[in-house]
Amino acid sequence: SQTIHQWPATLVQPVGSPLSLECTVEGTSNPNLYWYRQAAGRGLQLLFYSVGIGQISSEVPQNLSASRPQDRQFILSSKKLLLSDSGFYLCAWSGSSGLALPFFGPGTRLTVL
Amino acid sequence: DAKTTQPTSMDCAEGRAANLPCNHSTISGNEYVYWYRQIHSQGPQYIIHGLKNNETNEMASLIITEDRKSSTLILPHATLRDTAVYYCIVRPIQGAQKLVFGQGTRLTINP
Repeated sequence: SQTIHQWPATLVQPVGSPLSLECTVEGTSNPNLYWYRQAAGRGLQLLFYSVGIGQISSEVPQNLSASRPQDRQFILSSKKLLLSDSGFYLCAWSGSSGLALPFFGPGTRLTVL
Repeated sequence: DAKTTQPTSMDCAEGRAANLPCNHSTISGNEYVYWYRQIHSQGPQYIIHGLKNNETNEMASLIITEDRKSSTLILPHATLRDTAVYYCIVRPIQGAQKLVFGQGTRLTINP
């Protein structure tokens, strides 16, 4: 069966520090991968999605970037965190067929101070 | 932008059926209706999806109107663990599989 992992589970970082969140998927190949963010009390916002290695689509302009160095690895990064980057970051994966459903990871709660 | 409209919040008594409405009046013929829920501090969980026929699984039932402009998610016997934010999403069959979430309905099950 497929599983999705995210780490760390929680993170507290100072403003201006770098960020690296990692997501890995097991039990499948060539998945579509997604990064979502949920600010406190807000809905989920799609940040990036990827249909293959090195293929990244950005949904909103922001202080973050994403990379997919391996088929089942998706990384969310920032060079300098802002206060507004605080939130709950969720990675998701889906198959590549039209009806494939996204499944979400456990999330990383990021607090920028 | 999300293409669905849901009530901001709802309450339901434990043991009763919870009926969550969703309006998707601009839905296209090639778009499915999906329901996810998010329990506090967890990732969204898939519940059910449908195109035009009513659907039922072990978690819930989905009733889609004949004109497909609205749907209702039914939790037949709500428990306290069903307290969550419920998202109704429309997505095309083909193309990118990304989900665009709206604000959802915050469902509170009361003892």
